[in-house]
Amino acid sequence: GNSVTQMEGPVTLSEEAFLTINCTYTATGYPSLFWYVQYPGEGLQLLLKATKADDKGSNKGFEATYRKETTSFHLEKGSVQVSDSAVYFCALSMIKAAGNKLTFGGGTRVLVKP
Amino acid sequence: DSGVTQTPKHLITATGQRVTLRCSPRSGDLSVYWYQQSLDQGLQFLIQYYNGEERAKGNILERFSAQQFPDLHSELNLSSLELGDSALYFCASSSRGGDSPYGYTFGSGTRLTVV
Repeated sequence: GNSVTQMEGPVTLSEEAFLTINCTYTATGYPSLFWYVQYPGEGLQLLLKATKADDKGSNKGFEATYRKETTSFHLEKGSVQVSDSAVYFCALSMIKAAGNKLTFGGGTRVLVKP
Repeated sequence: DSGVTQTPKHLITATGQRVTLRCSPRSGDLSVYWYQQSLDQGLQFLIQYYNGEERAKGNILERFSAQQFPDLHSELNLSSLELGDSALYFCASSSRGGDSPYGYTFGSGTRLTVV
């Protein structure tokens, strides 16, 4: 079946540091890939997505590139802020006409210190 | 406001009881998904409905059931509750396969505490 593996946290950084969260996937076929963010006490928000190989998703200074050859979708941000402290989830979906479920990685907690 | 509404936000109940969680999807979305988030299990897919019909089932216990009504809102029923059912329950909606600009939209969740 389909699965997503992401690096375990917590990841603790200082403000303005570079952030990378590794994500690799296993899927039959060509999935769409997502990063979701969950701020403390809130639900999940879509951060960015990519639907085909070599696509780059970007939002709020975060980027991730769909790498089919390495089955990866690593999340990066060049300069983190305290407000980026959250749990980040990598996910995939096999898009079908009537919808399909998201399969999530285990989540990576990021803590940015001033 | 994501457009997906979940009620109640918090629920405290005793073991053995039954509860109903409600989800109203984003306007125009036909698919509703239920997820359980617990500390040790992460985000687990429970069940999906599309336009009133069950479309996919995940790790949903037999004590749990769900349905989607003609107005597209969905309810998740949890019965014979156990302490281990304490978790955050999320609902998400999508128009088709999540390939809209919005992807899958999540509600803010219902936090269930079983005591």
